[in-house]
Amino acid sequence: GDSVTQMEGPVTLSEEAFLTINCTYTATGYPSLFWYVQYPGEGLQLLLKATKADDKGSNKGFEATYRKETTSFHLEKGSVQVSDSAVYFCALSATTTSGTYKYIFGTGTRLKVLA
Amino acid sequence: NAGVTQTPKFRVLKTGQSMTLLCAQDMNHEYMYWYRQDPGMGLRLIHYSVGEGTTAKGEVPDGYNVSRLKKQNFLLGLESAAPSQTSVYFCASERSWRGTYEQYFGPGTRLTVT
Repeated sequence: GDSVTQMEGPVTLSEEAFLTINCTYTATGYPSLFWYVQYPGEGLQLLLKATKADDKGSNKGFEATYRKETTSFHLEKGSVQVSDSAVYFCALSATTTSGTYKYIFGTGTRLKVLA
Repeated sequence: NAGVTQTPKFRVLKTGQSMTLLCAQDMNHEYMYWYRQDPGMGLRLIHYSVGEGTTAKGEVPDGYNVSRLKKQNFLLGLESAAPSQTSVYFCASERSWRGTYEQYFGPGTRLTVT
């Protein structure tokens, strides 16, 4: 079945370091892909999305490119800040050939940025 | 525009007690969801609704019931709480936007069952 796999955390980086959080997916058809962020004590917030192959989503300095050939949607940021410390979730939405719809989240990757 | 709100924020129950969690959204979204979040397990879908008067089971529905009497509200009920239901519960509503679906989450309810 459809699934989303994220790298296990926690990821600990120094401020201004380069960030990559890996996400791969399995899905039939052509899913849309998302990154959500969860700050401590809060609900998830949509960070960025991409709806088709080779699309790049971007927001707040974060980027992710929809790679159909490698079924990946890795999250990157060139220079992280302490305020980026949070849990990041990769997700997909897809409609099956029978018309049912699903939204699947990965297990989340915790990022800790040290000053 | 408050977005998605959840009440209560925290609750402690004894085993066997019942309670209802309320989720409200003011964005006129059709789809609404209840998830639970447990350490190391990400989000798991409990129940969802595709519109007023409809509900459907998700991945982990046992021990929970839901109702969607009004479009803006989605209630999650625990009839007889068990310690295994200790978790953080999130409600979400969903917007369809240019062929994609974006979910908007509430701040969560932290439930402890002793």
